[in-house]
Amino acid sequence: DQQVKQNSPSLSVQEGRISILNCDYTNSMFDYFLWYKKYPAEGPTFLISISSIKDKNEDGRFTVFLNKSAKHLSLHIVPSQPGDSAVYFCAAIATGGGNKLTFGTGTQLKVEL
Amino acid sequence: KAGVTQTPRYLIKTRGQQVTLSCSPISGHRSVSWYQQTPGQGLQFLFEYFSETQRNKGNFPGRFSGRQFSNSRSEMNVSTLELGDSALYLCASSFGAGRVYTFGSGTRLTVV
Repeated sequence: DQQVKQNSPSLSVQEGRISILNCDYTNSMFDYFLWYKKYPAEGPTFLISISSIKDKNEDGRFTVFLNKSAKHLSLHIVPSQPGDSAVYFCAAIATGGGNKLTFGTGTQLKVEL
Repeated sequence: KAGVTQTPRYLIKTRGQQVTLSCSPISGHRSVSWYQQTPGQGLQFLFEYFSETQRNKGNFPGRFSGRQFSNSRSEMNVSTLELGDSALYLCASSFGAGRVYTFGSGTRLTVV
């Protein structure tokens, strides 16, 4: 039962353009969401998070949008840079269930010159 | 400030053996979690510890166990290794009850 889904296994974007990564979830108890970036043979690196009381959070080039009614979140990267090429995971936490992160399956982002 | 340190980085074991992986969290972090990453299953939650107490456990067989020490360092143990246990094992720590976890680089376990 995949409670957090990233339906696009890969995404290719040109340098300087916007990258949009999507994530859907099914568990209505999730109330905190995070995006991590991962390079091969390394641990995930935290990028940005959002609480369910908000619908948008920005940090530099990264913006996360949350649509609770649709159980959907997205990560926007503007402008995209070649160093952004990595696998991006969204993750969700249900408060009251400890701090267990439920991860999506990941999207491989490739930013081309 | 040192990050999350996992040792060893790479490990090769034979089926049936047992293995212990170690994790040193960021100084001051009291919450430690473990995850398994495999190509087929993605990142799966194993356990979460806070102040030496297991707060949460994922859906893994009893061969997988862990513990946390008074200095917040954590170990996980896998007994009777199976080929399917080959994976990247990731440890993550957070400050207090914080929900943003910092991950280590992982231990790559290969079972042959």
